[in-house]
Amino acid sequence: DQQVKQNSPSLSVQEGRISILNCDYTNSMFDYFLWYKKYPAEGPTFLISISSIKDKNEDGRFTVFLNKSAKHLSLHIVPSQPGDSAVYFCAASADYKLSFGAGTTVTVRA
Amino acid sequence: DAGVIQSPRHEVTEMGQEVTLRCKPISGHNSLFWYRQTMMRGLELLIYFNNNVPIDDSGMPEDRFSAKMPNASFSTLKIQPSEPRDSAVYFCASSPQGLNSPLHFGNGTRLTVT
Repeated sequence: DQQVKQNSPSLSVQEGRISILNCDYTNSMFDYFLWYKKYPAEGPTFLISISSIKDKNEDGRFTVFLNKSAKHLSLHIVPSQPGDSAVYFCAASADYKLSFGAGTTVTVRA
Repeated sequence: DAGVIQSPRHEVTEMGQEVTLRCKPISGHNSLFWYRQTMMRGLELLIYFNNNVPIDDSGMPEDRFSAKMPNASFSTLKIQPSEPRDSAVYFCASSPQGLNSPLHFGNGTRLTVT
């Protein structure tokens, strides 16, 4: 039972443009949401997070938006850079337990 | 900060053999997690320790899997006997506290059981 869903397995974007990654969740008990980035042969690395009491959090080129009523969050990367090419995982937390989406592979084209 | 250290990076073994994966969490982190990543199921939580005590092992697939954390700087995940369907990448992660704190992942152990 996938409680966190990333319905787009891949995304291709031109360098300099915006990347938008989407994530949906089903568990209304989730109160903390995170995005992780993963390069091949490495572990996921934390990118940005948002608490359920907020609807937006920004960190440099990365912004996460949360729509609780729709149980939807998104990650915006602007401008996209070649080094952003990676797999991005959405994750949601209730207490200590993190549930992950299946990931979206982002490819930034020069 | 050396990060979370896992060993070995790769393990190839034959079905029926015992496999032990190792993890050294970040110093000062009191929560430790073992995750498994497969194509079919993605990243799934196997077990969670807090202050060296197993809090939730509901994700451990079956009795062939066991995990220990004898002290704050070391944890093991053991599979005995191993089966081909155990082939996956196993990640260890730690965090300063269990609640709402980003996890720091190791680079994983890629296990292949033939």
